[in-house]
Amino acid sequence: DTEVTQTPKHLVMGMTNKKSLKCEQHMGHRAMYWYKQKAKKPPELMFVYSYEKLSINESVPSRFSPECPNSSLLNLHLHALQPEDSALYLCASSQDYGRVSINHEQYFGPGTRLTVT
Amino acid sequence: SQKIEQNSEALNIQEGKTATLTCNYTNYSPAYLQWYRQDPGRGPVFLLLIRENEKEKRKERLKVTFDTTLKQSLFHITASQPADSATYLCALTDNTGANSKLTFGKGITLSVRP
Repeated sequence: DTEVTQTPKHLVMGMTNKKSLKCEQHMGHRAMYWYKQKAKKPPELMFVYSYEKLSINESVPSRFSPECPNSSLLNLHLHALQPEDSALYLCASSQDYGRVSINHEQYFGPGTRLTVT
Repeated sequence: SQKIEQNSEALNIQEGKTATLTCNYTNYSPAYLQWYRQDPGRGPVFLLLIRENEKEKRKERLKVTFDTTLKQSLFHITASQPADSATYLCALTDNTGANSKLTFGKGITLSVRP
């Protein structure tokens, strides 16, 4: 199974709402990622989890809060977002992170299309 | 500053021809370079990875070259088909430390005409 699943596919939320994005993989990968992608732009890294610990936070505002409950699950909690946060949020996983001796191809989920009103 | 450049935003070719996409980079010491395909509204799909000590990699109709002297990778799709129409992203991982995150280029949108 080489699939990364994400729920929901679409989300519309107001600026005062609290919502969560969910991501799951069953490939035994130990690294999981959150990316943000705006239209006609490349994916931009937000967070990296390695062995369920946060390894990288790319200076993301605190209104985005990641959580890794176990090695297969990754959540992104959203609170008090701004309209400019509207984007496609992508989850990805890879075998490992931070070791150049192994392959690091990333497997992406289909994304959650988030609209903040 | 570090840059990944995919110089054209779009490439239009006739079905059956070879598509060649270019990725240039500056101020990176990449351990490896990857190419991904992305369809509209979908997540990127991994295609090929090539390491710094490899010159060329092939997979079916796909071929990637990597020239660390020129700081360039070329991605070729031979016998192109309309189904190959998509955005193709190159991505680099720097080998300068443990912080080996993947950084994507802007991508090139390929359109293959029937």
